[in-house]
Amino acid sequence: DTAVSQTPKYLVTQMGNDKSIKCEQNLGHDTMYWYKQDSKKFLKIMFSYNNKELIINETVPNRFSPKSPDKAHLNLHINSLELGDSAVYFCASSRRNYGYTFGSGTRLTVV
Amino acid sequence: AQTVTQSQPEMSVQEAETVTLSCTYDTSESNYYLFWYKQPPSRQMILVIRQEAYKQQNATENRFSVNFQKAAKSFSLKISDSQLGDTAMYFCAFISINTGTASKLTFGTGTRLQVTL
Repeated sequence: DTAVSQTPKYLVTQMGNDKSIKCEQNLGHDTMYWYKQDSKKFLKIMFSYNNKELIINETVPNRFSPKSPDKAHLNLHINSLELGDSAVYFCASSRRNYGYTFGSGTRLTVV
Repeated sequence: AQTVTQSQPEMSVQEAETVTLSCTYDTSESNYYLFWYKQPPSRQMILVIRQEAYKQQNATENRFSVNFQKAAKSFSLKISDSQLGDTAMYFCAFISINTGTASKLTFGTGTRLQVTL
């Protein structure tokens, strides 16, 4: 069983489109995250949810909107995609500070 | 704010040899965890090893061990008997305990390790 699963794994789309990435965890963790990995492999947190409540919201454009319908799911919706949004987006979950479990990532390419 | 620095962008080691990856961090916190994550070409982020700051004993996981120097804020990873499957990006990461649910994992810029025959 996959602990943290993200879909889709690859996403190619045109500028200006709206797209969503879905994430689900079956570990019973209370906290979920979205991280962005840029072309230089640097990982930076975008959002964190704890029991469906937004806890961390880094300086991310308003075009990015996370949604957590329950504590096992955290989706990321992106409006009006731009070329600079091309990156790998990772979902992760954790319980307290025992380390994060990451999904396999979604490679988003905006053309 | 915490920062994590990995000063070696790339390293290479021969199979069966030992290699050490460096990591330093900056924080005013006293309670925190440190981690090493591995990212192979498959891009999956894999937890390699974890160290609690309050523990003086260095963590070990099979061929992987750390040298944790709290006063120096240093957290290096030693890989013994390197294998071809160890080829990957390695990220050092820090998380504070004191901020509760607002804690976030902060990563270094990574070290690309190549294991050669």
